[in-house]
Amino acid sequence: NAGVTQTPKFRVLKTGQSMTLLCAQDMNHEYMYWYRQDPGMGLRLIHYSVGEGTTAKGEVPDGYNVSRLKKQNFLLGLESAAPSQTSVYFCASSLRGTGAGANVLTFGAGSRLTVL
Amino acid sequence: GNSVTQMEGPVTLSEEAFLTINCTYTATGYPSLFWYVQYPGEGLQLLLKATKADDKGSNKGFEATYRKETTSFHLEKGSVQVSDSAVYFCALSDRTGANSKLTFGKGITLSVRP
Repeated sequence: NAGVTQTPKFRVLKTGQSMTLLCAQDMNHEYMYWYRQDPGMGLRLIHYSVGEGTTAKGEVPDGYNVSRLKKQNFLLGLESAAPSQTSVYFCASSLRGTGAGANVLTFGAGSRLTVL
Repeated sequence: GNSVTQMEGPVTLSEEAFLTINCTYTATGYPSLFWYVQYPGEGLQLLLKATKADDKGSNKGFEATYRKETTSFHLEKGSVQVSDSAVYFCALSDRTGANSKLTFGKGITLSVRP
């Protein structure tokens, strides 16, 4: 029962390099999310997806792209990494949006990215 | 827009002390309210939730009551343990749209010493 799995767990990049973070969930959840966590800022939503083939912008989408080609996977891409993108990234999923019915999010363990 | 305000931290307590972590919110409509906990090196996990006014969420000895009149959802525990050391996040989700999302507070670090 893996839940939400993120890879890689750690990565160091140089400014201008590109990379992709992979999130996989085995719970057949419809909704998936990417957050970043920074000291004193809490969690901020980058992008989210309400189903296979869909994506939408969150609070801080600039500099990131996402894709949801398969229901179980949600990829977060950085095309040209910047030091401001040094952060811990969390993926999460839920059965449906956290609106009526108050479904809850299951989080991955996080991916720590450092951009030099 | 929606927002969640948590008390400033960090908080350090001795084992068996009483814990209160304040959380207030601003939202349109009638949001659902949550407390998430993040143990060292892990992702967040749901601690408790409440979906309407006067509801009390509880789990692992923690409690929080949805107070609409004061727009608050304070977290309490009568006797903390060293294992409760973690970061605690208050969050809300509005129910005005099909694609509503969680808004998190900044989190507060709790350290419990033996």
